[in-house]
Amino acid sequence: GQQLNQSPQSMFIQEGEDVSMNCTSSSIFNTWLWYKQDPGEGPVLLIALYKAGELTSNGRLTAQFGITRKDSFLNISASIPSDVGIYFCAGRAGGTSYGKLTFGQGTILTVHP
Amino acid sequence: DSGVTQTPKHLITATGQRVTLRCSPRSGDLSVYWYQQSLDQGLQFLIQYYNGEERAKGNILERFSAQQFPDLHSELNLSSLELGDSALYFCASSVASQGVEQYFGPGTRLTVT
Repeated sequence: GQQLNQSPQSMFIQEGEDVSMNCTSSSIFNTWLWYKQDPGEGPVLLIALYKAGELTSNGRLTAQFGITRKDSFLNISASIPSDVGIYFCAGRAGGTSYGKLTFGQGTILTVHP
Repeated sequence: DSGVTQTPKHLITATGQRVTLRCSPRSGDLSVYWYQQSLDQGLQFLIQYYNGEERAKGNILERFSAQQFPDLHSELNLSSLELGDSALYFCASSVASQGVEQYFGPGTRLTVT
């Protein structure tokens, strides 16, 4: 089945630093999404990407839909303590997959003040 | 607050038992999705319903079943529970059948002892 490889698995950074994480797939996705999950809560949608090459920002977050449609990237600029959490990429293949999302394993982000 | 509600928040039960998890989607959303999150498997798609009909199925065990009612709330039934079924179960909802932007509830933490 489809699998998403997300890296890095974890990051320890200082407040104010920029963060980059990425997700790669063995197959094509029509849509890429990025979610953040805080402990004990459900994932929260950060950014959705719909077209290959698309670059979308949400505040300090910027995500890109890779040209090959097999990868996506998330950047966080000027990190702050509340950025701590687990970040997940997710992809949707489309067609008969309907709304099925395939998730990466997550990147655990720790921000030191 | 995503607008998706799930009950109960926590559930502790014994092996061999049966439980029902309940989800109410955001107002206006017709699609409901169920996901399982465990430490070893990550976030896994189980099943999707759209306006009362099953739309997509993931690696859902035969011991698990779901339905969506006319008022659009959904229930996930887990039977003959095993220790390995202990996990967080999330419900998400979206407007459309091919809903990409899925909004997650707070989850139900199931512990099987």
